[in-house]
Amino acid sequence: EAQVTQNPRYLITVTGKKLTVTCSQNMNHEYMSWYRQDPGLGLRQIYYSMNVEVTDKGDVPEGYKVSRKEKRNFPLILESPSPNQTSLYFCASSSTSGSLIFTDTQYFGPGTRLTVL
Amino acid sequence: AQSVTQLDSHVSVSEGTPVLLRCNYSSSYSPSLFWYVQHPNKGLQLLLKYTSAATLVKGINGFEAEFKKSETSFHLTKPSAHMSDAAEYFCVVSEASGNTPLVFGKGTRLSVIA
Repeated sequence: EAQVTQNPRYLITVTGKKLTVTCSQNMNHEYMSWYRQDPGLGLRQIYYSMNVEVTDKGDVPEGYKVSRKEKRNFPLILESPSPNQTSLYFCASSSTSGSLIFTDTQYFGPGTRLTVL
Repeated sequence: AQSVTQLDSHVSVSEGTPVLLRCNYSSSYSPSLFWYVQHPNKGLQLLLKYTSAATLVKGINGFEAEFKKSETSFHLTKPSAHMSDAAEYFCVVSEASGNTPLVFGKGTRLSVIA
């Protein structure tokens, strides 16, 4: 079954304790992305990757890191989490067909609800 | 650079009545446009997409949207609302010159009243 998986689904942590949220897709997609969703703000892009070893900042990258060492995985790293990073996080992937204009469906993971105390 | 404005943050309709969710976009070039739906406590799912083919696009669950270049709009409609349509809806635009590949609107929450 084609899917995007995220782990963990729920996480409560404390300020400053490094954490990683994993994301994996089984569709051989080139493009992967991380979003955060906050009430009234919709989805905001954190980082995205057009392919292996290629990552770019989205609209809200501060406080986050990513890596893309393998095509299927795109982990999100919070080196020193703060309470303002409490949010619902989504990973997504898509085929790009080599174009900068996306025409294919983005597949979303189920979300990770993060609380930073 | 592209941008998306969803004109209503919340829309409430009665079951069986038409649904209209409005989306305007700004784009320098011919964009791709998408509508995604998010049911409570779920991830996002594609409803439909416009990618420079037919301007009237049909999606899942009876939804459709019309790309109107002159009005820079891509409104989502459905003739008759069902209780299961209650969800958050996102309009998304993609164009080659943007700072990021995809830009999301802030979302419209659809409530359906029995």
